This record gives sequence, structure tokens and C-alpha cells, in this order.
Amino acid sequence: GNSVTQMEGPVTLSEEAFLTINCTYTATGYPSLFWYVQYPGEGLQLLLKATKADDKGSNKGFEATYRKETTSFHLEKGSVQVSDSAVYFCALHHGSGNTGKLIFGQGTTLQVKP
Amino acid sequence: EAGVTQFPSHSVIEKGQTVTLRCDPISGHDNLYWYRRVMGKEIKFLLHFVKESKQDESGMPNNRFLAERTGGTYSTLKVQPAELEDSGVYFCASSQGFEQYFGPGTRLTVT
Repeated sequence: GNSVTQMEGPVTLSEEAFLTINCTYTATGYPSLFWYVQYPGEGLQLLLKATKADDKGSNKGFEATYRKETTSFHLEKGSVQVSDSAVYFCALHHGSGNTGKLIFGQGTTLQVKP
Repeated sequence: EAGVTQFPSHSVIEKGQTVTLRCDPISGHDNLYWYRRVMGKEIKFLLHFVKESKQDESGMPNNRFLAERTGGTYSTLKVQPAELEDSGVYFCASSQGFEQYFGPGTRLTVT
């Protein structure tokens, strides 16, 4: 079945460090891929998405490229800030058309220290 | 425009009791989803409504869980009787198209 695997956390970085959070998936076909973020005390927010192979999603300095050959969608940011401290979830869309469930990874907690 | 809201934000109940969680989707969104995150693990799908109909309830763990969506507006998720393993954060999401918008979640603790 479809599944998503994320790197174990927590990840602790100093401000301005480079961030990579690994995400790999198993799926039939070519699902759309997402990164969601949950800031402390808030709900999940869509951070970025990619709907087909080789697409690059980007937002707020974060980027992720849909790699079909390695079934990966790693999240990167060149210089993290304290305000990026949150839990990050990789997900794939399972379904046809515009509806259908999301399948999530286990989440990776990022803590950025000043 | 108001986002997805959930009530309560926290609930602490004893094993064997009943709890009802509520979700109010974004106005006009036909699709409503329930998800659950248990013990810091992955967020798991529970079920999907299209308007008032259950489109997919393959993720519902057992018959102690009952979800309804009266009139295709808000939805409730009732757990009866609650067990210790039901503890976790319950998220609701709604969509009209591709992107799902999530609520802040209800943290349920069963003691």
C-alpha cells in the first residue's frame, strides 16, 4: 500500500544553518506530494506541494523537488530561523481527482536555536 | 473567511466514558475529513464525507467510533466507550478542491 517515511527527529539546528528533512514514499502511480507544517499551538498548514515528477514546490524559503527515480521529496531550506521551529509532515495524496485522503509520514520536529 | 474550527481544543476523560468532538468546516466546502495522530506517530486518515455522505470510512479503527455530518455542514466524531489507546490529537480538514485546510485539532486524553 501507499506509505510515507520521514527522517527521525528531533532536529536541532542553530539559526542560519542549512536544513534537510528527508522524505521517501511508496505509492502506485504518481501521487501529488506535500509538506505540511504545524507551528506550536496551531493547526496544520500547507507549506508546499508538487503534483508531478521533477516539479519543485517552494514557499517561505523552503523547497522540495519531486524525484520519481528515488521516490523522494526532501525538504530543504538554506538558512533557518528561530520562527521555523515546528513539526513538519510529508504527505502524499491518495485518490482520484480533487478529493481523496492524505497519507502522512510520522512528522519531524525542528528546533532552531538562536 | 473563517477557517476550520474544532471543539473542544482539549478533552480529558476516563476510560469507558463518551466524548464527542465537533468540526466546523470552511463554509461551502463539500469535503470534510477526519484524521488522528496518536503518540507522536504519523497522522492517520479516519474518514471522508462528501456533503452528508460518507465517501470513505476505511480508516475508522472500530465500531466505538461514530462520525456524522448533519445536513452536510458541521461534523461530529463520537467515541463510545473511550479506551486508553484512543488518546491523541484529532484533526479535521475540509476542501472544495485539491487543497485540504486543517483545523487546530482536539487533543483527547483518556485516563
